[in-house]
Amino acid sequence: QSALTQPASVSGSLGQSITISCTGTSSDVGDYNYVSWYQQHPGKAPKLMIYDVRYRPSGVSDRFSGSKSGNTASLTISGLQAEDEADYYCSSYSSVTTRVFGGGTKLTVL
Amino acid sequence: QVQLVQSGAEVKKPGSSVKVSCKASAGTFGSYALTWVRQAPGQGLEWVGGVIPMFGSSNYAQKFQGRVTITADDSSTTAYMELNNLRSEDTAMYYCARGSDLEGLDPWGQGTLVTVSS
Repeated sequence: QSALTQPASVSGSLGQSITISCTGTSSDVGDYNYVSWYQQHPGKAPKLMIYDVRYRPSGVSDRFSGSKSGNTASLTISGLQAEDEADYYCSSYSSVTTRVFGGGTKLTVL
Repeated sequence: QVQLVQSGAEVKKPGSSVKVSCKASAGTFGSYALTWVRQAPGQGLEWVGGVIPMFGSSNYAQKFQGRVTITADDSSTTAYMELNNLRSEDTAMYYCARGSDLEGLDPWGQGTLVTVSS
């Protein structure tokens, strides 16, 4: 059982927006702004998409955005494109276990 | 942009050890940390531990305490993860990535597949 809870799957049509949630506790997401999001295509290494809740690394499309409310962080992808189809993982610093990941969400672009 | 290049796939017997390397393309690690993450087949990401080469300090997930050792050699800009007493459940892709416990991890190495089988 993962420390952070994500939906197993989400789907959206080309051009639409989707949001992936990541629910933790006051020991991780709720108390720290050290939430990051990763995109992983099949057979590839993960790629950092969002760090510190809402910041994008250089080169990541501005269609990706992050936010947080209470113990839940969210990743929103707007203007869905076919290449966005991938697995997405959230991660947070934790005062209990140092770093925790979510179980991952499979995004299907219809 | 620094790149991380990991050693090749390994096949190990239960009870044995494996040592995976991760070489940075930059001339020095500088002040940044390195983190190791693993992913069992068809499963999610799992934090293993990390190292700050400048200080030579490491920390580990409780699950792996006593079985894992993470080190770094600044002179060769190479980090290592050694896992002992391997069991079948340790079969996974092992990734290194730049970043500390607080940071977003970027970039990642290409991964090293470790297979534990009798």
